[in-house]
Amino acid sequence: GEDVEQSLFLSVREGDSSVINCTYTDSSSTYLYWYKQEPGAGLQLLTYIFSNMDMKQDQRLTVLLNKKDKHLSLRIADTQTGDSAIYFCAESIAQTGANNLFFGTGTRLTVIP
Amino acid sequence: NAGVTQTPKFRVLKTGQSMTLLCAQDMNHEYMYWYRQDPGMGLRLIHYSVGEGTTAKGEVPDGYNVSRLKKQNFLLGLESAAPSQTSVYFCASSYFGQGASGANVLTFGAGSRLTVL
Repeated sequence: GEDVEQSLFLSVREGDSSVINCTYTDSSSTYLYWYKQEPGAGLQLLTYIFSNMDMKQDQRLTVLLNKKDKHLSLRIADTQTGDSAIYFCAESIAQTGANNLFFGTGTRLTVIP
Repeated sequence: NAGVTQTPKFRVLKTGQSMTLLCAQDMNHEYMYWYRQDPGMGLRLIHYSVGEGTTAKGEVPDGYNVSRLKKQNFLLGLESAAPSQTSVYFCASSYFGQGASGANVLTFGAGSRLTVL
């Protein structure tokens, strides 16, 4: 089945850059996503990237995709305390019934003031 | 717009009891999903629906049933709750149409925390 892996924890100092990594196994992924979950809340979409792209930038967020190595990363520039949350990567696979999303375990980002 | 609304937000059950979680969306989305979130395991898909009157099994469907009688509602039922079903349950919906290509952008509810004693 689909397997999406992330490290569980990351701590950074306020103002530094954060890099959250994700690996996936299914080479037929069509899109890859980053979601953010704040305490006690549901997940919110941050950004996504088409599997044929290498990079996508959106303000402080940069997504890098290495399709050969099946590796996805999310870089947050100038990390703020409000960025503290759990970050999930996910992949969608066209062959699944509803283009279902398969999520990683989530990385808890802690920003130290 | 409320987006995706889940009720109840919290519930405590005894083993063997039954209950239903309700999910309602006001965005006219075709697809709806139920996920469970457990520590260290991320989100796992329980059941999903590609339209009114349809349901399908996800990764972990055992012990759950679902119904989609109306497009805006997706119900998740536990017929005989077990402690292993203690979890946070998330409903999500998306505009992704069946057969279409493109990103499948999910909108999530705030979650329902269920404890089974």
